[in-house]
Amino acid sequence: SAVISQKPSRDICQRGTSLTIQCQVDSQVTMMFWYRQQPGQSLTLIATANQGSEATYESGFVIDKFPISRPNLTFSTLTVSNMSPEDSSIYLCSVTGERSGNTIYFGEGSWLTVV
Amino acid sequence: QKEVEQDPGPLSVPEGAIVSLNCTYSNSAFQYFMWYRQYSRKGPELLMYTYSSGNKEDGRFTAQVDKSSKYISLFIRDSQPSDSATYLCAMSAADYKLSFGAGTTVTVRA
Repeated sequence: SAVISQKPSRDICQRGTSLTIQCQVDSQVTMMFWYRQQPGQSLTLIATANQGSEATYESGFVIDKFPISRPNLTFSTLTVSNMSPEDSSIYLCSVTGERSGNTIYFGEGSWLTVV
Repeated sequence: QKEVEQDPGPLSVPEGAIVSLNCTYSNSAFQYFMWYRQYSRKGPELLMYTYSSGNKEDGRFTAQVDKSSKYISLFIRDSQPSDSATYLCAMSAADYKLSFGAGTTVTVRA
């Protein structure tokens, strides 16, 4: 299995500010994804982080609000921009690849509260 | 209609009972099926992963997939209080983009 580290694990943010979440994997992975879990809800896919190119966003999510970078096969960042209380969620990085037998693993998540 | 339907419960069982969880789905392209366990304030932990119809067993956990009926199940035998958590079914097509069920909250009473 892949070991996934996310930073920060939790944060309290002021309305209107931006925060960048980091996802570091202990081995090279083929695919990296970012999900959001709003309070009391299940997980929703935000985007696929593509190595060396622009991320692919799902319906309802846009690059200006959630810019994503993936400079290599083990690291990605998600920025939550111009935050509002509605952005208070858990943001989760997930990965898959041949080394993980194509199973999909999640990090522990980054808990953001916007005040 | 959601792509993945899962009864959110809550489900409460006595210790030692069999926990039965299930999900239905509508997308015929789904080929990877997973069950995750999520404790409060933690990320989802992969429990079971299957990619074909049939049964897969791992310790106290059994996952079943019936692609013809678009129905998946998870059974937990000899349930323990430590199994109290939210269980999420998830599935994807070949692109590995997961669609999740709502999650079922399970409580195992000592």
